[in-house]
Amino acid sequence: DAGVIQSPRHEVTEMGQEVTLRCKPISGHNSLFWYRQTMMRGLELLIYFNNNVPIDDSGMPEDRFSAKMPNASFSTLKIQPSEPRDSAVYFCASSINRDLQETQYFGPGTRLLVL
Amino acid sequence: AQSVTQPDIHITVSEGASLELRCNYSYGATPYLFWYVQSPGQGLQLLLKYFSGDTLVQGIKGFEAEFKRSQSSFNLRKPSVHWSDAAEYFCAVGAYSGNTPLVFGKGTRLSVIA
Repeated sequence: DAGVIQSPRHEVTEMGQEVTLRCKPISGHNSLFWYRQTMMRGLELLIYFNNNVPIDDSGMPEDRFSAKMPNASFSTLKIQPSEPRDSAVYFCASSINRDLQETQYFGPGTRLLVL
Repeated sequence: AQSVTQPDIHITVSEGASLELRCNYSYGATPYLFWYVQSPGQGLQLLLKYFSGDTLVQGIKGFEAEFKRSQSSFNLRKPSVHWSDAAEYFCAVGAYSGNTPLVFGKGTRLSVIA
């Protein structure tokens, strides 16, 4: 298996521009998580989906952030407009949704720099 | 509220020396505990996890961790560190049942010197 795939791996953009991050979960996994990693706050959850349905988006910073999962094999995280404080590493993780907790597998991350 | 504390921000050990990374958690129910490792510029790789049963769990790369409920701890250990172990280590807690997000500690950066 190719593991969780994220694109782009690196993104440099200017303040005010739209940024779209993409994630392809492991085939057969039906839970998908978006995390953000910063020096100040560490790793924190932004939003997660079960069976393509958003379950908890309370971690999404503000209305500038939106996430979608149109099908089981693809998710996007969009920032519009972007701001310098959005600079971080964004990770996507996937797992199998069963009755008990399952291991989450992480992608390599997207390193975002907003100038 | 769930929380994970990793008291040591940065640890330096000599190659061949033993290692212990501390992790304390706060969780209102039965926890499911994880240790992940992150090499520079890479994603997170699972080292080991504790679900139930034997409180001493073995992981990849020669790591082990011990769950101590009375101390709310899940410390990571390795008897002999290799230079390639230099990385950032994250402890995380999740719910026992259901597939829920993990709560991570702030991480401990491990440096290995010759």
